[in-house]
Amino acid sequence: GAGVSQSPRYKVTKRGQDVALRCDPISGHVSLYWYRQALGQGPEFLTYFNYEAQQDKSGLPNDRFSAERPEGSISTLTIQRTEQRDSAMYRCASRRAGMNTEAFFGQGTRLTVV
Amino acid sequence: ILNVEQSPQSLHVQEGDSTNFTCSFPSSNFYALHWYRWETAKSPEALFVMTLNGDEKKKGRISATLNTKEGYSYLYIKGSQPEDSATYLCAFGNSGYALNFGKGTSLLVTP
Repeated sequence: GAGVSQSPRYKVTKRGQDVALRCDPISGHVSLYWYRQALGQGPEFLTYFNYEAQQDKSGLPNDRFSAERPEGSISTLTIQRTEQRDSAMYRCASRRAGMNTEAFFGQGTRLTVV
Repeated sequence: ILNVEQSPQSLHVQEGDSTNFTCSFPSSNFYALHWYRWETAKSPEALFVMTLNGDEKKKGRISATLNTKEGYSYLYIKGSQPEDSATYLCAFGNSGYALNFGKGTSLLVTP
């Protein structure tokens, strides 16, 4: 696709439900990043992949959060047993290979847990 | 997770003023330093990606410098305009392509 696509754009879920957020990166981009963004704040790192390999998941808040990118393209961030504190904008970004390549961001998924 | 610090947190200047902000990052395992401009209700967009100590980049009235030995980068805006109002994010890239962002500097330029 032309840009990084995230779906859904908005998700309202009840506390305790599981949610899956999808990221479709720019075709050919090697690295894919997940960030969480509080209102008015910069992106907070969650995890990232190079191809299908999850390189760093140290930013995932707890074991209710997981991510996968099984074929090195589309990625899914899953939050199990959602809590109200999980409400945030979840952004995905992707980059081409190379140390001086910029990241391109998706429009984000606004998650609200009620 | 690597600490990337940006200061000030917010800045309010008058149209025509020049301004600058700072990004501090770990000086070890440096690969790249990114600057992004983030307008409200949009996604962050890249301004500069810098990889070499002493690098200077310029785009119009905006420029950036990089000191990898001491772990800081400055972003300068000359003659600020209202359309420069945005949050400016820096991101530190280390080996393995991890990309950690600071919390941003929010700039407001009033006429």
